[in-house]
Amino acid sequence: SYVLTQPPSVSVAPGHTARITCGGNNIGSKSVHWSQQRPGQAPVLVVYHNSDRPSGIPERFSGSNSGNTATLTISRVEAGDEADYYCQIWDSIGGHYVFGSGTKVTVL
Amino acid sequence: QVQLVQSGVEVKKPGASVKVSCKASGYAFINYGINWVRQAPGQGLEWMGWISPYSGNTKYAQNLQGRVTMTTDTSTNTAYMELRSLRSDDTAVYYCAREDITMFIDSWGQGTLVTVSS
Repeated sequence: SYVLTQPPSVSVAPGHTARITCGGNNIGSKSVHWSQQRPGQAPVLVVYHNSDRPSGIPERFSGSNSGNTATLTISRVEAGDEADYYCQIWDSIGGHYVFGSGTKVTVL
Repeated sequence: QVQLVQSGVEVKKPGASVKVSCKASGYAFINYGINWVRQAPGQGLEWMGWISPYSGNTKYAQNLQGRVTMTTDTSTNTAYMELRSLRSDDTAVYYCAREDITMFIDSWGQGTLVTVSS
């Protein structure tokens, strides 16, 4: 089964840039999607198809995907960005969704 | 706008069954697959399975085969997930989630806490 690897935590000062990675074998050939989950809330999609943003998601959220690593970048980080972030792919061979283990972003 | 509204908190004893509902609105229910995802306390997201409201076809995670059944009622735009023979490690928040036709989860229900305890 396909495995997605994320760092457990990332810390960033307000106004700075947070980069959250999602590693997988040749993940650059897949479409990667990112969700934000604030404490006690349901996940919310913030980036889909590697770099597209749903309506209502700030331009500060951007994504990229190449080689064995996909990256979610949060620019000009705000206190409200403190949350868990999960990457997601569709495993077409297994016929199921795969989630990364999640990265907790802490705003210092 | 897309809304998925789930049923409320459940407390069950080991060996019992639970059935969680998910009422969809704001889109054509029959055209989008519904996935179920669970999250144990302090843990990550675990995909449980998928159902097509159009065909009724399902696919379940291997570790839940035989214990889980997903159904839909297109007359009420509601999806259901039933989990049987509950164990303590089934304690989790259960989410329904809509999938886009290009295969990603784009909308989530608010979650239903299921606690399994004797």
